[in-house]
Amino acid sequence: GAVVSQHPSWVICKSGTSVKIECRSLDFQATTMFWYRQFPKQSLMLMATSNEGSKATYEQGVEKDKFLINHASLTLSTLTVTSAHPEDSSFYICSADIMGPGNTIYFGEGSWLTVV
Amino acid sequence: QKEVEQNSGPLSVPEGAIASLNCTYSDRGSQSFFWYRQYSGKSPELIMSIYSNGDKEDGRFTAQLNKASQYVSLLIRDSQPSDSATYLCAVYNTDKLIFGTGTRLQVFP
Repeated sequence: GAVVSQHPSWVICKSGTSVKIECRSLDFQATTMFWYRQFPKQSLMLMATSNEGSKATYEQGVEKDKFLINHASLTLSTLTVTSAHPEDSSFYICSADIMGPGNTIYFGEGSWLTVV
Repeated sequence: QKEVEQNSGPLSVPEGAIASLNCTYSDRGSQSFFWYRQYSGKSPELIMSIYSNGDKEDGRFTAQLNKASQYVSLLIRDSQPSDSATYLCAVYNTDKLIFGTGTRLQVFP
């Protein structure tokens, strides 16, 4: 079964509004979660690393004020796309790091965001 | 130079054949390597992880790692049409997972 759950799977929002995507680790605690964005026919682009209890680390070129990340607990990270625009329409995927012999990272199911 | 490089494909193989997918990486200090399968419109699914030089087999899948050459490969034996997908090579670098652009595999009956 899934070890990382993401919600919602699909969301349509109006331009200028904000939308929140949740990422939950199931049956394990994830001190680190990652947020990716994937445009059609392109690879996954890491947006930010979410650390429980501290500020997220954003990749170069990703606006931290537009993509708000909160990792308030060891099982939940949220990504809020603020003042969404049509160019923000994409597939957003979270992942969680299962620490152990060699890091293993599992992905959530992904969230399709369409901004109209 | 990209950190993780893959041929975008498509790689077309007949059903029952061996599909060979290749990946090179730039950071010689990388320690963990992964292959993910991604169907169109879906999230990546972990197929294999490999950490040591040599081969690692799991069912029809074999991952091969050569750290000296900075090269990772995935072999799929007895390829099935259901294997048709994009295969992503990923390298764990410092504290994050870096992906290649993926190789699209097409298995035809």
